[in-house]
Amino acid sequence: SYVLTQAPSESVAPGKTARIACGGNNIGFKSVHWYQQKPGQAPVLVISHDSDRPSGIPERFSGSNSGNTATLTISRVEAGDEADYYCQVWDSRSDHYVFGPGTKVTVL
Amino acid sequence: EVHLVESGGSLVEPGGSLRLSCAASGFRFADYTMNWVRQAPGKGLEWVASITSSSSYIYYTDSTKDRFTISRENAENSLYLQMNSLRPEDTAVYFCARDLNVGTPFDSWGQGTLVTVSS
Repeated sequence: SYVLTQAPSESVAPGKTARIACGGNNIGFKSVHWYQQKPGQAPVLVISHDSDRPSGIPERFSGSNSGNTATLTISRVEAGDEADYYCQVWDSRSDHYVFGPGTKVTVL
Repeated sequence: EVHLVESGGSLVEPGGSLRLSCAASGFRFADYTMNWVRQAPGKGLEWVASITSSSSYIYYTDSTKDRFTISRENAENSLYLQMNSLRPEDTAVYFCARDLNVGTPFDSWGQGTLVTVSS
């Protein structure tokens, strides 16, 4: 079945840029969605279809997808961005949704 | 406003059964594919099952397909997950989530219900 990879953690200083990678075989041909989850809360969709930002999500959140890597970029990081971030795709070969293992973003 | 509320989680012994429910409001339930996603304590998200708007297509993750059954009742705006032969590794918070079609993002989630499988 299709496998997504993510770094377990990333630390970033306030005001800097965080780049969270999601790796998968030819993931550039798939549509990637990104979720933010804070402790004790349900996940929230922050980027859909590689780079679309849902209503209410700050412009600081952006996404890209090419080759074997999709990337979620958080610009001008704020303390409130500290959370776990998960990528997700639909694998049409297996008819399964697949989540990445998640990246914990810590704001220094 | 979209509202999804899960219920039915509890402590159950290994080998036991449990039925989870998800009550939907604030949108036309019959137009959406619905999903169950779980999260074991301290772990990441794991997709469990999906059911299309008219129940025509149903999908399961491999570890649950022979034990879990997803269903829905559009007239009651409700989603269900019947879980049989429960194992300790099924211990998790179970979320329901909606998406427009299979393959599209989960744009609304419930707060989850905790299932604990232990003797």
